[in-house]
Amino acid sequence: QKEVEQDPGPLSVPEGAIVSLNCTYSNSAFQYFMWYRQYSRKGPELLMYTYSSGNKEDGRFTAQVDKSSKYISLFIRDSQPSDSATYLCAVTHSGNTPLVFGKGTRLSVIA
Amino acid sequence: EAQVTQNPRYLITVTGKKLTVTCSQNMNHEYMSWYRQDPGLGLRQIYYSMNVEVTDKGDVPEGYKVSRKEKRNFPLILESPSPNQTSLYFCASRKANYGYTFGSGTRLTVV
Repeated sequence: QKEVEQDPGPLSVPEGAIVSLNCTYSNSAFQYFMWYRQYSRKGPELLMYTYSSGNKEDGRFTAQVDKSSKYISLFIRDSQPSDSATYLCAVTHSGNTPLVFGKGTRLSVIA
Repeated sequence: EAQVTQNPRYLITVTGKKLTVTCSQNMNHEYMSWYRQDPGLGLRQIYYSMNVEVTDKGDVPEGYKVSRKEKRNFPLILESPSPNQTSLYFCASRKANYGYTFGSGTRLTVV
């Protein structure tokens, strides 16, 4: 079983839709959870960083962690064409251990 | 501007010709890492360093070397490149309890 599973998509939605992106992980020892956005031909950029379970909101983005189900989500409200990118989840055990990345979900927001 | 700078951005080389990809960060981060990104395989860690003179293997270290003589620099060395090392490479750095900042990537082609 892979450590982090992420549906590769592609996912195509109309502008203004609510987008839900998800990852599952296998190791209950993971404590830190991240979402990255990667535009074509660019490096990934950090969107959200959360510790343990719960929700974290930043503008149109909400990250949700359910440790009991080993399930993490990223919600994008009022999606825009500029949100079209690949979204990668990442997990790690502690503040100084290597990150384990999902393979990414490609999202297209159609105007 | 806080950033991770890697050079070159694009490189075409021949099998067996030693090359170095440089990486430098200006954020005083302890932790640095090299990833390669391939279609269908996602981001895979090659090597990481938790501080000066401290390096460790990631998931795919074969054929690569690194060094960390100074905190800001973390070069990736391919002593004898082969075509299966054709990939998109990313350098990244982070501070404890936070996510990575990635460089813009180096697209390497080995013929």
